[in-house]
Amino acid sequence: SQTIHQWPATLVQPVGSPLSLECTVEGTSNPNLYWYRQAAGRGLQLLFYSIGIDQISSEVPQNLSASRPQDRQFILSSKKLLLSDSGFYLCAWTTSGGPSYEQYFGPGTRLTVT
Amino acid sequence: KNEVEQSPQNLTAQEGEFITINCSYSVGISALHWLQQHPGGGIVSLFMLSSGKKKHGRLIATINIQEKHSSLHITASHPRDSAVYICAVRSWSGGSNYKLTFGKGTLLTVNP
Repeated sequence: SQTIHQWPATLVQPVGSPLSLECTVEGTSNPNLYWYRQAAGRGLQLLFYSIGIDQISSEVPQNLSASRPQDRQFILSSKKLLLSDSGFYLCAWTTSGGPSYEQYFGPGTRLTVT
Repeated sequence: KNEVEQSPQNLTAQEGEFITINCSYSVGISALHWLQQHPGGGIVSLFMLSSGKKKHGRLIATINIQEKHSSLHITASHPRDSAVYICAVRSWSGGSNYKLTFGKGTLLTVNP
């Protein structure tokens, strides 16, 4: 069966520090991968999605970046965190292609920037 | 105006009550998802539907494509149903890609 992992589960980082969040998927190949952020009092917002290795699309301009060095690995990074980067970050995947495939979410990382 | 609107934002019910959460959207979609988020933050997909009605245990989801509206019903509610319920619509974003747009969620509290 398919499983999605995220780490760390929680993170407290000072403003200006770098960030690296990792997501890995097991049990499937060539998934579409997604990074979402949920800020306090707001709905989930799509940050990045990837349809393949080194193929990343950004939905929202920001100081974050994403990379997909391997088929089932998706990394969210920042060189310098801002206070506004605080939130709950979720990785998700779907099988590639098709309009009606189920989307599966990871357990999430709660980031607090101080 | 948000593309996905949920109502109510907050809902408090007594155990056993019938609950309805509504979702309206303004874009063309290929599918609509109902998600459940518990206090720890993890998200579970409850339903994905593109027409008609689906039922899973005490949960029922309906969608009216013409009216761009969906409802999530919970029968015989229980305190363990307390969570945030999120509506998300899947729409085409170019090429062969689709994206989800989320509502802000409905916080449901079921008291014993």
